[in-house]
Parts: sequence; structure tokens; C-alpha cells
Amino acid sequence: AQKITQTQPGMFVQEKEAVTLDCTYDTSDPSYGLFWYKQPSSGEMIFLIYQGSYDQQNATEGRYSLNFQKARKSANLVISASQLGDSAMYFCAMREGEAGKSTFGDGTTLTVKP
Amino acid sequence: DSGVTQTPKHLITATGQRVTLRCSPRSGDLSVYWYQQSLDQGLQFLIQYYNGEERAKGNILERFSAQQFPDLHSELNLSSLELGDSALYFCASSVDPGVRTDTQYFGPGTRLTVL
Repeated sequence: AQKITQTQPGMFVQEKEAVTLDCTYDTSDPSYGLFWYKQPSSGEMIFLIYQGSYDQQNATEGRYSLNFQKARKSANLVISASQLGDSAMYFCAMREGEAGKSTFGDGTTLTVKP
Repeated sequence: DSGVTQTPKHLITATGQRVTLRCSPRSGDLSVYWYQQSLDQGLQFLIQYYNGEERAKGNILERFSAQQFPDLHSELNLSSLELGDSALYFCASSVDPGVRTDTQYFGPGTRLTVL
């Protein structure tokens, strides 16, 4: 079974609107971390936001927030007030186990329309 | 800039050859990770080192090997290269994977093209 599933290969959003990128995960480890990364066309992987499995509150970082629903095993990324520079591939990742091995989803390509 | 450096940025070589990719982690980070990103396989975890010791292994081929040196920089060696090894190779680093909030920061990647 896929450990990280991103069901939206591509998404479009109008500039200044909010958008939600979906991520579901599968683990039996009670202690894990969930991450979102952004990969623009230039290729670099940029860390956006982190959510720990024991965190009571949803993580937020500027215009990024993580909608963490532990029982449903989902960790959706919400980008508010989209900007043209948000157009990129977005990856959801999970780190589990003592070694901190990470698994990445297949990514979602977000296109922001002017 | 994440603080993780990778060299070279681009590498073009022929099938059957051997190459070495180099990574310097962020200052203070003890753990280094290698990933391969190709169009058909997505982002694949290859191997992780922590303070010089191998910590976790992913889908790394036997033709590939890596090590982390005492100064914490790491090298990924790819030998008997095949066309299918063409990919973007990322190095990431983090402070301590045993800490729950530990975050991996990625370098800019090395784009390998095998002709």
C-alpha cells in the first residue's frame, strides 16, 4: 500500500484565492512527522511546513497551513491568497521510525492563474 | 538557500562510467540523506547517514554506494551507469532524525544525464 497518497496530479487556482492540496498517509507508528515541500520549475526542494503526530494544533507558516485530521490520516496543505509564484509541484512527505526515513508522495502540480 | 551544497550542478557522462556526487550538509546537521528523482519513479529515498554511520537504506541499487566522512560531508558513488540512472539526485540534511520535529533541508540537486 502507498504510504503517502496525493490524489490530485494537477490543480488550478485563481490568483488571490485559497487552495487545498490533499495528502493521505498510512502508518502504524504512533510517532511520525508530516512535511510539505515545494518544488518550483527551477528544481530545488523547499521546506514549507511540518506537523507532528502528537501536535494538538494544526501547523501554520505564513500563508501555509496544514489541515491535520489524525483519525482520517490526512494532512492537507492549505495555501491562502495564492500568488503566481506559488505555481510549482508540491510534495507531501512522512517521516517515521527512529531512523527518520522519509517517504514522499507523487506530488501535485499547482498552477496559479492570473 | 537551504545551506546544503551539492556539486556538481550538472553531470553528463556515458553508459558504463562511474561518477561521484558530493554533498555538504548545513552547519550543525549530523544526518545526510540521498534521494533520486526521475520522471517515472518520482522521489525515491536512497540512503541515510548519521554522524558517519549508515542509518537507513531505501531503494539503492548495488551499483550505488555512499559514505559520510568525518567532516560530515557525503559522497554518492554511481558506477556502471545505465541510461535509466539519468535523474536529479538530491542530498538533504537534518540535525538529528531521532528528534520528532527534525526537518530535512534539501540541496539544489545534481542533474545527471547518462548518454
